[in-house]
Amino acid sequence: GNSVTQMEGPVTLSEEAFLTINCTYTATGYPSLFWYVQYPGEGLQLLLKATKADDKGSNKGFEATYRKETTSFHLEKGSVQVSDSAVYFCALSDRNNDMRFGAGTRLTVKP
Amino acid sequence: DTAVSQTPKYLVTQMGNDKSIKCEQNLGHDTMYWYKQDSKKFLKIMFSYNNKELIINETVPNRFSPKSPDKAHLNLHINSLELGDSAVYFCASSPTIAGASGGELFFGEGSRLTVL
Repeated sequence: GNSVTQMEGPVTLSEEAFLTINCTYTATGYPSLFWYVQYPGEGLQLLLKATKADDKGSNKGFEATYRKETTSFHLEKGSVQVSDSAVYFCALSDRNNDMRFGAGTRLTVKP
Repeated sequence: DTAVSQTPKYLVTQMGNDKSIKCEQNLGHDTMYWYKQDSKKFLKIMFSYNNKELIINETVPNRFSPKSPDKAHLNLHINSLELGDSAVYFCASSPTIAGASGGELFFGEGSRLTVL
């Protein structure tokens, strides 16, 4: 079945540091790929997505590129802020709208 | 005008009780879901409905019974609550995109269930 593996946290960075959170997937066919973010006490919200190979999703300074050859969708940000502290989830969805999530990576950004 | 709303937000109850969590979406989406998030933030799909029809039913104890009276509502009823049922339960919805991979999910704010 479909699955997502993302790097384990927690990740702690200083403000303005570079962020990478790795994500790889296993799926049949051509899934869509997503990054969701969960701030404390809230539900998940979409951060960015890519629907086909080589697409780049971007939002709020975050980027991720759909790499079919390496089955990856790594999340990056050039300069993190304290307000980026949250839990980040990589996810994939297939034709049946079956959305599967990775285990989540907690990011803490210190001033 | 919340897009996906679930009630109650907090629920504290004793082992053995029966409880329900309600979910409504006003986005006109065809597909709705229930996810369980444990204390380590791991998010596991429980059920998915498309136009009131059950699509995904993961390995969930049959004490959990989803009910979808119409495509805008998906309620979760839990019988004989156990300590291990303590978690945050999230409702979500998504549009159905014919002929393509799935669209994004829109989540409710979660319902924190504590079983004593």
